[in-house]
Amino acid sequence: AQSVTQLGSHVSVSEGALVLLRCNYSSSVPPYLFWYVQYPNQGLQLLLKYTSAATLVKGINGFEAEFKKSETSFHLTKPSAHMSDAAEYFCAVKGEDNNDMRFGAGTRLTVKP
Amino acid sequence: DTGVSQDPRHKITKRGQNVTFRCDPISEHNRLYWYRQTLGQGPEFLTYFQNEAQLEKSRLLSDRFSAERPKGSFSTLEIQRTEQGDSAMYLCASSLAGTVFEQYFGPGTRLTVT
Repeated sequence: AQSVTQLGSHVSVSEGALVLLRCNYSSSVPPYLFWYVQYPNQGLQLLLKYTSAATLVKGINGFEAEFKKSETSFHLTKPSAHMSDAAEYFCAVKGEDNNDMRFGAGTRLTVKP
Repeated sequence: DTGVSQDPRHKITKRGQNVTFRCDPISEHNRLYWYRQTLGQGPEFLTYFQNEAQLEKSRLLSDRFSAERPKGSFSTLEIQRTEQGDSAMYLCASSLAGTVFEQYFGPGTRLTVT
């Protein structure tokens, strides 16, 4: 069954530092993978998606993620953190039934001034 | 605003009462999804519509839960005889058939059962 695991429930970085949020997936078929961001009391906003095209995917707000099949990973990065990046980030994989999304437990990003 | 909207944003109810939430998807989207999110967790799939047809329901959706999408546009999620364990954020999402499964989420309805 499709699933994702996010490593680290909480990541703290300084403003201007590299952001690295980790996600590993399990899938019986070539996966479709997604990263979403959630700000407090709001819904989820799509950051980027991997759909078996280019392995390096660029998203909004300067984020990107690299699909590595050998490592079953889809880590999210941003070269320089901004205070406005503080939020909850969710990795997700398309379910095998094609009708749902399987989310990780989330990683809370804190950005220190 | 052409995004997904949900109403109400917050609902406080007493145990045993019934509640109903509404979701208005992006107008041209024919797929609509309901998820539940508890504190510190990612969203969990509840159910899915394509047009007016409810095509799949998760095991999480007990018989106290019912969802409808009568005209293939807005959807309602009703919880009967609410329990404290139903306290969560209920998220609605929509997508367009043929896209690569890209779902757009609403702001959610936060339910508190006292």
